[in-house]
Amino acid sequence: EDQVTQSPEALRLQEGESSSLNCSYTVSGLRGLFWYRQDPGKGPEFLFTLYSAGEEKEKERLKATLTKKESFLHITAPKPEDSATYLCAVQAPWNSNSGYALNFGKGTSLLVTP
Amino acid sequence: DSGVTQTPKHLITATGQRVTLRCSPRSGDLSVYWYQQSLDQGLQFLIQYYNGEERAKGNILERFSAQQFPDLHSELNLSSLELGDSALYFCASSVSGTANTNYGYTFGSGTRLTVV
Repeated sequence: EDQVTQSPEALRLQEGESSSLNCSYTVSGLRGLFWYRQDPGKGPEFLFTLYSAGEEKEKERLKATLTKKESFLHITAPKPEDSATYLCAVQAPWNSNSGYALNFGKGTSLLVTP
Repeated sequence: DSGVTQTPKHLITATGQRVTLRCSPRSGDLSVYWYQQSLDQGLQFLIQYYNGEERAKGNILERFSAQQFPDLHSELNLSSLELGDSALYFCASSVSGTANTNYGYTFGSGTRLTVV
């Protein structure tokens, strides 16, 4: 069964203190790995899609990387507005149960203090 | 505004009751996905419809059902509600039957269901 594990569950950073969030996955034939940001009481907001090991994508202070077993979301010099829950999801080859549905991890709750 | 509209935003109901959650997908999107989010389980896939037909079924209880109408809006029906059904219910949409390369799924803002 496909599994997605995110760590840490919660992370508290000082403004400007860079760090990384981890997403470990087990899936046969990864079709894509997705990162989302979720603010309290709101729906997840798409950040990145990664498809193959070695791929990297950047957006402002965020950079996502992918290996064959895990993905990292690097946050450089974070600001308080980066506080949110960051979700990782994988898309596996089609199966009769979940089709192509994204399988989400439980997320990392990030708090950036001034 | 993501373009995916969910109503109502909040719903409080009693155990044993039945409720209907509504979702209008982003314009042009044919697929609708329903997810349940609780504190301990995270986002759990329930069911997917594509252009009016059921495409995939995840961890959806038999007490729950869904449909997608010709105008592509979707409804999730939850019946015989239990306390444990309290959660955020999200709808997401995509153009095709799979997640889009550039933006994955587009999620709505959710319906918070509280069963008392």
